[in-house]
Amino acid sequence: DVKVTQSSRYLVKRTGEKVFLECVQDMDHENMFWYRQDPGLGLRLIYFSYDVKMKEKGDIPEGYSVSREKKERFSLILESASTNQTSMYLCASSFQLTEKLFFGSGTQLSVL
Amino acid sequence: GIQVEQSPPDLILQEGANSTLRCNFSDSVNNLQWFHQNPWGQLINLFYIPSGTKQNGRLSATTVATERYSLLYISSSQTTDSGVYFCAVEDWDSSYKLIFGSGTRLLVRP
Repeated sequence: DVKVTQSSRYLVKRTGEKVFLECVQDMDHENMFWYRQDPGLGLRLIYFSYDVKMKEKGDIPEGYSVSREKKERFSLILESASTNQTSMYLCASSFQLTEKLFFGSGTQLSVL
Repeated sequence: GIQVEQSPPDLILQEGANSTLRCNFSDSVNNLQWFHQNPWGQLINLFYIPSGTKQNGRLSATTVATERYSLLYISSSQTTDSGVYFCAVEDWDSSYKLIFGSGTRLLVRP
């Protein structure tokens, strides 16, 4: 089975801190994604990457950046965390863009 | 953009009952997936089903692409089936983006 691992289950940060969320997949998938999930707003795509060092903006990229230096690892960076970035962050991967998407267990981030 | 509507929004079942969840979408799709989010937040991919019918144990799904809907059947429900069920479809404008429905929240009582 595909395993997508997110480094932290719960994270508490202060406003203005730089925050790194890490995601690793073990199935040699080409594509990796970062979503955030908020009550009433559902799942929204932040960024995705279709290859090493390649990235595309999703629906809500403002305030975020990403890094993909190795195929198996995709990092989400909050340059200066704000309270409106408090959310559940979900990483996902897929072999091809239009194929089955596999999610990690999520990181619940609280920005105080 | 494409609209995805799921029904019912909430569902309560007694253990052992059967249920049908529905996903309607507003335009043609070539990618439809069903997910289960358990109470701990983990999203599990149940089916990749752009058309036709698939079965996996007590779960099955049918997508009728020409009529723009998909159904997820849960038979002999168990308490572990509780959680939120999402369908997601691919946006034609950008092939990498799945559009998620708002989900059906299922509670299975023992």
